[in-house]
Amino acid sequence: DTEVTQTPKHLVMGMTNKKSLKCEQHMGHRAMYWYKQKAKKPPELMFVYSYEKLSINESVPSRFSPECPNSSLLNLHLHALQPEDSALYLCASSQVPHESDEQYFGPGTRLTVT
Amino acid sequence: GQQLNQSPQSMFIQEGEDVSMNCTSSSIFNTWLWYKQDPGEGPVLLIALYKAGELTSNGRLTAQFGITRKDSFLNISASIPSDVGIYFCAGHSGNTPLVFGKGTRLSVIA
Repeated sequence: DTEVTQTPKHLVMGMTNKKSLKCEQHMGHRAMYWYKQKAKKPPELMFVYSYEKLSINESVPSRFSPECPNSSLLNLHLHALQPEDSALYLCASSQVPHESDEQYFGPGTRLTVT
Repeated sequence: GQQLNQSPQSMFIQEGEDVSMNCTSSSIFNTWLWYKQDPGEGPVLLIALYKAGELTSNGRLTAQFGITRKDSFLNISASIPSDVGIYFCAGHSGNTPLVFGKGTRLSVIA
């Protein structure tokens, strides 16, 4: 089973709202990732969690706040977003972080900020 | 930072034709991955390559890890309408995050 699940599938939020994106994997992977993807562009790395600890933050604005409650779950808390933050948000996982290993992606959350 | 040059940017082909796309890098990579992404969905891993010169198949798909470790190609044989989508190459170089190419958009004309 190489399934990564993400909820919700779609999210529309105002600039003053607080919302959260959720990601789950049951493959025993110890690395989990958040990516942002704009239309017709490749995924852009935001955060990496390695063994439930934040190991990489690619200079992401503080209005995005990641959380890894346990080895299977990854959340992305959103607050005071801007319209330009509208994008497809992808979660991925891999057995080990960074090394020559395969990343498996979830279906994504399509976020629209109004 | 590291960059992958993926070509072509887009392709329009007839159903049944073979397809070839490639990625090149100015630096050596340890791993090459090929993903396919359908509209509104996440990328799906097609093939992973770990050794220079390695040639791996997955059904009608074949990918190779270049012997210089700076390039990789993906071939699709006898294309069908469901092959439509965006294909991304990605690679690891040392202990660094995955680097993605800009994608090849494939359109199949029935």
